[in-house]
Amino acid sequence: AQRVTQPEKLLSVFKGAPVELKCNYSYSGSPELFWYVQYSRQRLQLLLRHISRESIKGFTADLNKGETSFHLKKPFAQEEDSAMYYCALLGGTSYGKLTFGQGTILTVHP
Amino acid sequence: DTEVTQTPKHLVMGMTNKKSLKCEQHMGHRAMYWYKQKAKKPPELMFVYSYEKLSINESVPSRFSPECPNSSLLNLHLHALQPEDSALYLCASSLFYLSSTDTQYFGPGTRLTVL
Repeated sequence: AQRVTQPEKLLSVFKGAPVELKCNYSYSGSPELFWYVQYSRQRLQLLLRHISRESIKGFTADLNKGETSFHLKKPFAQEEDSAMYYCALLGGTSYGKLTFGQGTILTVHP
Repeated sequence: DTEVTQTPKHLVMGMTNKKSLKCEQHMGHRAMYWYKQKAKKPPELMFVYSYEKLSINESVPSRFSPECPNSSLLNLHLHALQPEDSALYLCASSLFYLSSTDTQYFGPGTRLTVL
């Protein structure tokens, strides 16, 4: 079975501070991992995916297969980063099911 | 048009009512999805359609009946729902199914309340 764990329900930082949202996964195959973000009153949208190795809005995430982690990082948080963040895994024995973690609410204080 | 649209935005229905949720995309995507999201919880997959054929049914009760009349449209027919079915119902689409390089684009959702 595939599982995604985000250990922090809530995370608060001050503007300009570094931020790290943790994500661990459990999956027997080769996972595809994503970070989705949901800003207040907006739809769920893709932030980044590990296969692209890209940086979006200053966020990066590295897949660590040894630690089965895909933590999301940003060196200097901004107030507009306040949102709900979901880590998600695409996998499955016979189909590509997107499984979400429980989500972390990030609040960036001025 | 690069959006997934959903109607209605809000829906209140009784347990004996029959209603439908509608989802539309004009991005040429051939995979469409229904998710259910309870408050402060992650989305949970309900159904997947690939090329207008039902590919996945995540053991969803039969009171939820999906339909994909064409490649742009996805419906979710509701009948005899229970109060615990109250949730945000999200539609999503992607270019293809089973492709990790594709992005799933989500609609804004329909907030359903069952009385």
